[in-house]
Parts: sequence; C-alpha cells; structure tokens
Amino acid sequence: DGGITQSPKYLFRKEGQNVTLSCEQNLNHDAMYWYRQDPGQGLRLIYYSQIVNDFQKGDIAEGYSVSREKKESFPLTVTSAQKNPTAFYLCASSSTGTYQETQYFGPGTRLLVL
Amino acid sequence: KQEVTQIPAALSVPEGENLVLNCSFTDSAIYNLQWFRQDPGKGLTSLLLIQSSQREQTSGRLNASLDKSSGRSTLYIAASQPGDSATYLCALRTGANSKLTFGKGITLSVRP
Repeated sequence: DGGITQSPKYLFRKEGQNVTLSCEQNLNHDAMYWYRQDPGQGLRLIYYSQIVNDFQKGDIAEGYSVSREKKESFPLTVTSAQKNPTAFYLCASSSTGTYQETQYFGPGTRLLVL
Repeated sequence: KQEVTQIPAALSVPEGENLVLNCSFTDSAIYNLQWFRQDPGKGLTSLLLIQSSQREQTSGRLNASLDKSSGRSTLYIAASQPGDSATYLCALRTGANSKLTFGKGITLSVRP
C-alpha cells in the first residue's frame, strides 16, 4: 500500500533534549511538508521541501530543523531551542508541489514534554 | 495576510439532517481551496479540492462550493450519518510555493 508513515506515534522529550520525528513516503512524491497542530488551532507550516537536498522555512521554523537527503524521507528535529514543543506533528507530501495538487497526510506524532 | 475562519467551532446535529459547514477567507486571490476531514488523533484526509476557476465539486454525499468574490466556501453534507462525526478543516493555497493556510476546523457530531 502506498502512503505516508510517521514514527513514533507518541514521543516524550526531556528538558534540553533534541528529538527527531520520522516521516517516510512511498508515493514517489517530490514535495514534503511538516505541520504543527495545537488544540483549537489550525495547522501551521514548519518546513517544506520541493526537491531532494532543498528545503524552505515555513511560518514557525524557529527551534526546528530538517533534512532531505532522500526523496522518500523528511525527518524533523525538534531542538532544545523550541521552548513549547508539545503539539501534534503532521507530515504531508504532494506529487510536485504545484498549486493544483492535494497534499496527503501521515497519521501524526504527538510530542509531549516530561 | 490571508486569514481563514470557520464558525462555529463545534456543531451537533441529529442523524439524517442535511448540513452546511462554512469557511470564510479575507483575500480572494487564491489558487484553490480544499476541505479535509480529521478523525481524533489522526492525520488529515482530503475530501474535495476546488480550483480557483471552479464553482463547486461533488463527491458522493459531499458538495463543496467556492465564491471568491464573497470570500466564502461551503461544505454541504447530505443525509448526515454518525460516521460523519469528525473535524472538518478548510485550507487555501495562497501562492505558487504551495503553502496552505488552514482554518481552525469545525468539530461535527452526528447523533444517532
């Protein structure tokens, strides 16, 4: 089955710790995205990548970092500089990143701070 | 800056009722608009995508309309079922860089 997988489903972060959220897709999509969702809020774009080895900051990139070394993978690192990381993180992909396409979403990772 | 508003935040209806979910936006210069469904603790599933040149799209019991001049979109759900209970989000694509701007969503509960 084609789709997007995110792991882990739940992740706990200690004070001062960096944590990495995994996102993998087997849809052969060029573009991938990371969003953050807080209760009662819409989704906010953290980073996006339209091609391997290239990515751009979204609206709330501070305290986060990404890499895009492979077409199918777009991991997100939540660094210790992100002071309020508790949220639901969603990864998405689309075929070429043009405005005519829909985005397909993974099941999400919930990050909690210990 | 584009702002997307979905009111009310929550809605409860009896099974079988036809209902309309509203989405309003401040800038009519959009490329397309999507409606998504999100079940609790899950990712988003795309329901309908309307291009800026279109007025509506239909899929089964769902119909989405777009009126750019008034800055509004509606999602019509016919003969609602308990399985339709979920949060419905609208999102606009505002530029060629593929960025989506999301509303906060409407949480729908369909009572048996």
